[in-house]
Amino acid sequence: DAMVIQNPRYQVTQFGKPVTLSCSQTLNHNVMYWYQQKSSQAPKLLFHYYDKDFNNEADTPDNFQSRRPNTSFCFLDIRSPGLGDAAMYLCATSRVGIADTQYFGPGTRLTVL
Amino acid sequence: AQRVTQPEKLLSVFKGAPVELKCNYSYSGSPELFWYVQYSRQRLQLLLRHISRESIKGFTADLNKGETSFHLKKPFAQEEDSAMYYCAQGGKLIFGQGTELSVKP
Repeated sequence: DAMVIQNPRYQVTQFGKPVTLSCSQTLNHNVMYWYQQKSSQAPKLLFHYYDKDFNNEADTPDNFQSRRPNTSFCFLDIRSPGLGDAAMYLCATSRVGIADTQYFGPGTRLTVL
Repeated sequence: AQRVTQPEKLLSVFKGAPVELKCNYSYSGSPELFWYVQYSRQRLQLLLRHISRESIKGFTADLNKGETSFHLKKPFAQEEDSAMYYCAQGGKLIFGQGTELSVKP
């Protein structure tokens, strides 16, 4: 089945230790998104790629970076995780325009010790 | 800034009862509006979008521009409808806080 895959599903890191979360898709969608969802809160968009064009949300901290080496893969890098970065991180894709239906991965739950 | 409001964090109904999950948005133009659902231990997925005017799993949602609302309705709730429901606006998906629907037997 075509889908959005996130690895790992659970990630534990130490305060200040860089961490990378991975997302891959077999849908061949142009747009890939990263959302942060803290406990009991709505998902919040961090940034998205339209093909290779990176679009950062204005309030996304500089601590969060992203890479999209090809159509299928997108990475979320957290340079110096703080305790407040503990959350579920959701990857999503959409076919063409950003108004299209988004297809979500299962998420990676990040714990910061 | 665009904003989506879901006033109820939790909505509990009995099986067979009608259900309405409320959603209000703030956008003066023609918004793109969606309902996403997350069943227990499953990923977030699209339930319906206003532009397609579909009925999915018995749910419908009507856009009311005068009231800036996009409430989700189902005439007879089923236990399998128990889930977290998110209303969302726009292509970049501004999400509401979500409403947890619990359908009791």
